[in-house]
Amino acid sequence: QVQLVQSGAEVKKPGASVKVSCKASGYTFTSYGISWVRQAPGQGLEWMGWISAYNGNTNYAQKLQGRVTMTTDTSTSTAYMELRSLRSDDTAVYYCVRDYGDPYYFDYWGQGTLVTVSS
Amino acid sequence: EIVLTQSPGTLSLSPGERATLSCRASQSVSSSYLAWYQQKPGQAPRLLIYGASSRATGIPDRFSGSGSGTDFTLTISRLEPEDFAVYYCQQYGSSPQTFGPGTKVDIK
Repeated sequence: QVQLVQSGAEVKKPGASVKVSCKASGYTFTSYGISWVRQAPGQGLEWMGWISAYNGNTNYAQKLQGRVTMTTDTSTSTAYMELRSLRSDDTAVYYCVRDYGDPYYFDYWGQGTLVTVSS
Repeated sequence: EIVLTQSPGTLSLSPGERATLSCRASQSVSSSYLAWYQQKPGQAPRLLIYGASSRATGIPDRFSGSGSGTDFTLTISRLEPEDFAVYYCQQYGSSPQTFGPGTKVDIK
């Protein structure tokens, strides 16, 4: 069965960076893209960007351009999302999701990783 | 970008009742690339509907989606206790893909 297992919760200071991992299993990793979606406390869902696990192509949300980097390691079927220059409004649960279809929607979700940014 | 508006913000119903949730787009959603997700407290969202009306794998047939253009609807024909949750619509036909603010279905 398809599973996306994310790394654990993080607490960071403003200005720091965070890197969240997402290990995929149960399917051929390079056949699907991975997106990242975040959810601030009590708020809705925000798409952050996408990476092709096949060739590493990326597409980032404009508001995060320059602060976010998404990568994959095909040898371990793991996707990574790094967010730099953290601010308090980056406090959120970060989800990795599998992209399905063309254009893609999200058919499987990781369990989420809480990133708290606080001084 | 396409802005999605969901109504009502909260829907208070009893088990067994019918729920009708609305999602309206600021411009036409190409080829009905509209999905619905369910989220329960402390859990990740779960895909219910894609392509405006196709149920995802394992989703009960009491969930149905309809609509096209700028107006879409998610209907839950008879609410089960496990259906009380927040529901989000998402358009994925235009970049960036965007989500609505959600409709909370709670127990009356």
